[in-house]
Amino acid sequence: QEKVQQSPESLIVPEGAMVSLNCSFSDSASQSIWWYQQHPGKGPKALISIFSNGNKKEGRLTVYLNRASLHVSLHIKDSQPSDSAVYLCAVSSHDTGANTGKLTFGHGTILRVHP
Amino acid sequence: GPKVLQIPSHQIIDMGQMVTLNCDPVSNHLYFYWYKQILGQQMEFLVNFYNGKVMEKSKLFKDQFSVERPDGSYFTLKIQPTALEDSAVYFCASSFRDWGGAEQYFGPGTRLTVL
Repeated sequence: QEKVQQSPESLIVPEGAMVSLNCSFSDSASQSIWWYQQHPGKGPKALISIFSNGNKKEGRLTVYLNRASLHVSLHIKDSQPSDSAVYLCAVSSHDTGANTGKLTFGHGTILRVHP
Repeated sequence: GPKVLQIPSHQIIDMGQMVTLNCDPVSNHLYFYWYKQILGQQMEFLVNFYNGKVMEKSKLFKDQFSVERPDGSYFTLKIQPTALEDSAVYFCASSFRDWGGAEQYFGPGTRLTVL
């Protein structure tokens, strides 16, 4: 069964700082890895995903995937107070061999960006 | 962007009673999901549903749980009878495809309290 671990548990940074969030997963056959953002009282919102080894950049976000070390990281450049939220790492996998889109989530990292 | 709606936002119910949680998915989506999040714990996959059938379910999806989407109406999660350990926030999600690279759109959640 897929396991997803995130670090750090929480992070406080000043506005404009670079933020780095980490996620490790257990199944090298996992499919896509997603990063979601969740504000209090809201559902998760997808930010970016990656499937292939290497990196992917979208705006202020860059994600790095290393399947050999079972590790993925999310970097937020020029962080803003509006980036304050819980960041969830989610791995798409399947236990039955069928491709069903099941997501396994980590506990999340609480990010606070202060002005 | 596309929105998933969930009704009600909060539900308080006595143990042993039946409860139905309703989800209005994104209009052209074909795959539907329920996730459960107990306070302070990570979000966990319950079930996914396509073309009138359950595709995959987790061990959390007990015999007392059922899902359906009659004729394109709400996608529902029914719990009958409820137990104290069913208290959680339940998130509905939908996607256009089922493979891991397809974004899942989440609703805001229904907070269920079983007394």
